[in-house]
Amino acid sequence: GNSVTQMEGPVTLSEEAFLTINCTYTATGYPSLFWYVQYPGEGLQLLLKATKADDKGSNKGFEATYRKETTSFHLEKGSVQVSDSAVYFCALLDILTGGGNKLTFGTGTQLKVEL
Amino acid sequence: EAQVTQNPRYLITVTGKKLTVTCSQNMNHEYMSWYRQDPGLGLRQIYYSMNVEATDKGDVPEGYKVSRKEKRNFPLILESPSPNQTSLYFCASSTTGGWGNYGYTFGSGTRLTVV
Repeated sequence: GNSVTQMEGPVTLSEEAFLTINCTYTATGYPSLFWYVQYPGEGLQLLLKATKADDKGSNKGFEATYRKETTSFHLEKGSVQVSDSAVYFCALLDILTGGGNKLTFGTGTQLKVEL
Repeated sequence: EAQVTQNPRYLITVTGKKLTVTCSQNMNHEYMSWYRQDPGLGLRQIYYSMNVEATDKGDVPEGYKVSRKEKRNFPLILESPSPNQTSLYFCASSTTGGWGNYGYTFGSGTRLTVV
């Protein structure tokens, strides 16, 4: 079945450092890819998405490019802030038999940004 | 405000005592789903619903029931909870338009402890 693999956390960075969180996927076809963010005590929020190869999703200074050659969707940000501290989930969209769909998630990567 | 509302936020119960976690959305979304989040496993789908009176099993449905009698509500029922159902539960909804590519809206989560 389809699966998503994310780098282990926690990732600890100083404010204004460059961020990369690696995400690779295994899937048949070319599923849509997503990054969700979970702030402490809250539900998941959609951060960005890409629906086809070579698309770049971007939001709040974060970006990720859908690379079908390397089956990757790495999350990057040029300068992180303390407020970016959260857990980040990479996910792909599975279309199910019968028309349903589901998000298949990675295990999540916790990011801690320190002053 | 567009949102998915879950109740309760926290629940401690004893083994075997039936419980229901409610989920309601105000976005007129056709599609609703339940996930559980466990450390090291990410989020896994329990059940989903394409529309009223249309539900189907996800990846980990054992020990759970759902119903979809109204479009806005999708309760999760644990008929006889066991300690291995201790987890963080999320309800999510989306429009079926775009095949889920618009992303899901998640509730704030219900932390369930079964002792």
